[in-house]
Amino acid sequence: DIQMTQSPSSLSASVGDRVTITCQASQDISNYLNWYQQKPGKAPKLLIYDASNLETGVPSRFSGSGSGTDFTFTISSLQPEDIATYYCQQYDNLPITFGQGTKLEIK
Amino acid sequence: EVQLVESGGGLVQPGGSLRLSCAASGFTFSSYEMNWVRQAPGKGLEWVSYISSSGSTIYYADSVKGRFTISRDNAKNSLYLQMNSLRAEDTAVYYCARGWSAGTTPFDYWGQGTLVTVSS
Repeated sequence: DIQMTQSPSSLSASVGDRVTITCQASQDISNYLNWYQQKPGKAPKLLIYDASNLETGVPSRFSGSGSGTDFTFTISSLQPEDIATYYCQQYDNLPITFGQGTKLEIK
Repeated sequence: EVQLVESGGGLVQPGGSLRLSCAASGFTFSSYEMNWVRQAPGKGLEWVSYISSSGSTIYYADSVKGRFTISRDNAKNSLYLQMNSLRAEDTAVYYCARGWSAGTTPFDYWGQGTLVTVSS
């Protein structure tokens, strides 16, 4: 199974800050990586697919980069509505695996 | 508009059974692979099972293999998860999620989830 190591597990930042989350795969997954936002009591929402493509309707302050084993998710200017937990997910191989999640809070 | 609506969750005793359903609309269901993903209370996301568009290829997480059965009815635009021999650790919100089809990205749409609680 491919292990996805996501860090940090929690993050506190101020409105307007640049926020970065990393995800490392235990083996090469090319660009078969999604990033999700999940708010309490809601289903995950796809933000970034294929590592760096912005899903339709998602604000441009969200971005993703990387390929192979190392990936980065960035919020360029944190907004209050971005408070949520973020997950990476690989879909290169079954079983599909997710990172442990990053809980983002406002400082 | 793509919609996935899960149903069938509830409270069940350890060792019991439950059948979850996912009703799909707004897209050509028979063209898409489908998945079940679960989330235990306060925990992260765990993929549970996959089924191909025709239903001919199926995969399970090791944690549910031999106890859960995924199936689909393309005529009814519906996905199912039969859960037997339920354990306390199966307590979770269960989501159905759309998978691959030509030219699309997997896991782009998710249902709202249905809660399964395994407890005596």
